[in-house]
Amino acid sequence: ETGVTQSPTHLIKTRGQQVTLRCSSQSGHNTVSWYQQALGQGPQFIFQYYREEENGRGNFPPRFSGLQFPNYSSELNVNALELDDSALYLCASRQDELAGELFFGEGSRLTVL
Amino acid sequence: GQSLEQPSEVTAVEGAIVQINCTYQTSGFYGLSWYQQHDGGAPTFLSYNALDGLEETGRFSSFLSRSDSYGYLLLQELQMKDSASYFCAVRFHSNYQLIWGAGTKLIIKP
Repeated sequence: ETGVTQSPTHLIKTRGQQVTLRCSSQSGHNTVSWYQQALGQGPQFIFQYYREEENGRGNFPPRFSGLQFPNYSSELNVNALELDDSALYLCASRQDELAGELFFGEGSRLTVL
Repeated sequence: GQSLEQPSEVTAVEGAIVQINCTYQTSGFYGLSWYQQHDGGAPTFLSYNALDGLEETGRFSSFLSRSDSYGYLLLQELQMKDSASYFCAVRFHSNYQLIWGAGTKLIIKP
């Protein structure tokens, strides 16, 4: 048990639609990051939020956006879904920006048809 | 560019010792982490090397040599439950992003 929960666990969307994935971090963890993991590959960093501000971003287009809320919850929004967006989306929290250990949720598996 | 290389698959026998290597081509990072991921599950943290040298946590040890751009994860007294994928990852000073290797699938035979 990592104390990080994600919803929904599975969902199916069609091309062009929009999706919102949710994450609830451990209490006291000010930093949350989101990752995309395609089958058989390592997670790819999407972005990181620290105290409700985005402070790091990977190589993902602007249609990937996020929010972090004061109650340690966060969202990942993806607009104009493409087939290649099908993946496992992982949320991870850490105690602060420099902490070495990430605590991951079980992920949301998105299928885009 | 920034990249990490690790073997795609390693096979070992229950009770044995196995080493999973990770080489990287990058600079300016905080440290090297290792994560375990079972099929369909979330990555779970195993170890973190901020400094060169060996870190030991129970049956797992991890090593980092910045001068050699190399690290490894050592698993001792292998158990069937250790069958999983193992990822090395580095975090950068610039934007805090964590770059991951493609993972090593560890297969353990009785």
